[in-house]
Amino acid sequence: EAGVAQSPRYKIIEKRQSVAFWCNPISGHATLYWYQQILGQGPKLLIQFQNNGVVDDSQLPKDRFSAERLKGVDSTLKIQPAKLEDSAVYLCASSPTPSTGVAKNIQYFGAGTRLSVL
Amino acid sequence: AQRVTQPEKLLSVFKGAPVELKCNYSYSGSPELFWYVQYSRQRLQLLLRHISRESIKGFTADLNKGETSFHLKKPFAQEEDSAMYYCALLSGGYNKLIFGAGTRLAVHP
Repeated sequence: EAGVAQSPRYKIIEKRQSVAFWCNPISGHATLYWYQQILGQGPKLLIQFQNNGVVDDSQLPKDRFSAERLKGVDSTLKIQPAKLEDSAVYLCASSPTPSTGVAKNIQYFGAGTRLSVL
Repeated sequence: AQRVTQPEKLLSVFKGAPVELKCNYSYSGSPELFWYVQYSRQRLQLLLRHISRESIKGFTADLNKGETSFHLKKPFAQEEDSAMYYCALLSGGYNKLIFGAGTRLAVHP
């Protein structure tokens, strides 16, 4: 099966500019996650969708970050305006639903988008 | 607070040597733990999870609730095991993962 697709792979912007990332999960996966991975750290969850509804956005800096998953399939994550500390890899992941059986609680990751804010 | 700690940033061993990547967690309740791996220029992928009690690529990990640990072990390291390894804790009712900072394993010939 095709994996989680993300684009672009790399993005360089100046601070205060806007940027958007796109993610297409594995077909049929109802749950979609956006993680931020700063250099030297593990991934940190920003937002989690179940179909097109948000179930967890407690660590999303809502003054500058937004995300949507309008039709319950692909998703976009936006940063506006970007700050230097937003430089990171942004990972998208998906998991199947219902979360039972052998696939229970397994998340499948995309290749990520590396963002550099100058 | 729920937390995952991987105390070593880098673990360097020679081929054929035993490997133990340490992971400690903080969680109130019955934990569900995972090891994810990222090989060079590849995406993050699941290596193993404690509920499966399986051995993948020769790696095993046992949950020790008394020591709140989930260390990853392999008796004889191979060069192809060189990668970043992340321990992760499942948190809450919506399948949220909390990751440790990761340990880079370097296996030398």
